[in-house]
Amino acid sequence: SAVISQKPSRDICQRGTSLTIQCQVDSQVTMMFWYRQQPGQSLTLIATANQGSEATYESGFVIDKFPISRPNLTFSTLTVSNMSPEDSSIYLCSVGTEGASVYGYTFGSGTRLTVV
Amino acid sequence: QKEVEQDPGPLSVPEGAIVSLNCTYSNSAFQYFMWYRQYSRKGPELLMYTYSSGNKEDGRFTAQVDKSSKYISLFIRDSQPSDSATYLCAMSDFNNAGNMLTFGGGTRLMVKP
Repeated sequence: SAVISQKPSRDICQRGTSLTIQCQVDSQVTMMFWYRQQPGQSLTLIATANQGSEATYESGFVIDKFPISRPNLTFSTLTVSNMSPEDSSIYLCSVGTEGASVYGYTFGSGTRLTVV
Repeated sequence: QKEVEQDPGPLSVPEGAIVSLNCTYSNSAFQYFMWYRQYSRKGPELLMYTYSSGNKEDGRFTAQVDKSSKYISLFIRDSQPSDSATYLCAMSDFNNAGNMLTFGGGTRLMVKP
C-alpha cells in the first residue's frame, strides 16, 4: 500500500491565521481525500482532492475555508483559513488506488491542530 | 440520528479476554464494511473488511456482518495489550461519487496485562 507523509504533524496557531497541511505519497494515486477528526469524534470527510480540477467538498465544508490543491498524482495540500478554536482537530489525508479496492485506502498519521 | 453508531467506550478488558466491538447503521445501501485500528497519535490502519453479509476471519480477528439487522461486529480473541487502540468501523456502497467512507465514532479499547 502507499506510504503517506503528512506535514506538519502538529501545530499551535493563533486565531485568524491560516495553516497549510501537506500530504505527500510515495506513488501515484487516483484518489486523495481530506478528513477531519474532532476530539473524541468520528472521521468526517472534508473533500476529495481532484488532480487538475477543483476539489469536491462535502456538505458543511466550503472552498473559502478549506482551500485544497492537488497539482499532481502524488501531492495535495489542505489549508485551514481564518482559524478559530472550533477548527482545533486532527486533519488526515487519505489515498485510494484505482478500482476502489478497500486495500487501497491508506491514511496519513494526521496533523494535530490547536487554535488558541 | 447518526448514519453509523458505535459505542465510544472505553472498553477495558484483561489480557486474554475475547473482545466484541459493534456498530449499527441505518443506510441499507452500504455493501462494504471495514474495521480500522487507530493507535494514539497515528492515522487509522485498515484491519479487516467484508463485503455484504457473512463472517471473515484473520488470525485472532473475526468480522461479522448482519445486513438484515444492520449490525456489524469485530471479535478479538486472546486479546493482547498491543491491541489497545481505538477501533473504527467504516462502511460504503462504493457507488457514490468519491467512494466516500462513513465512519463510526470509534471505540477505545484498553487491554490490561
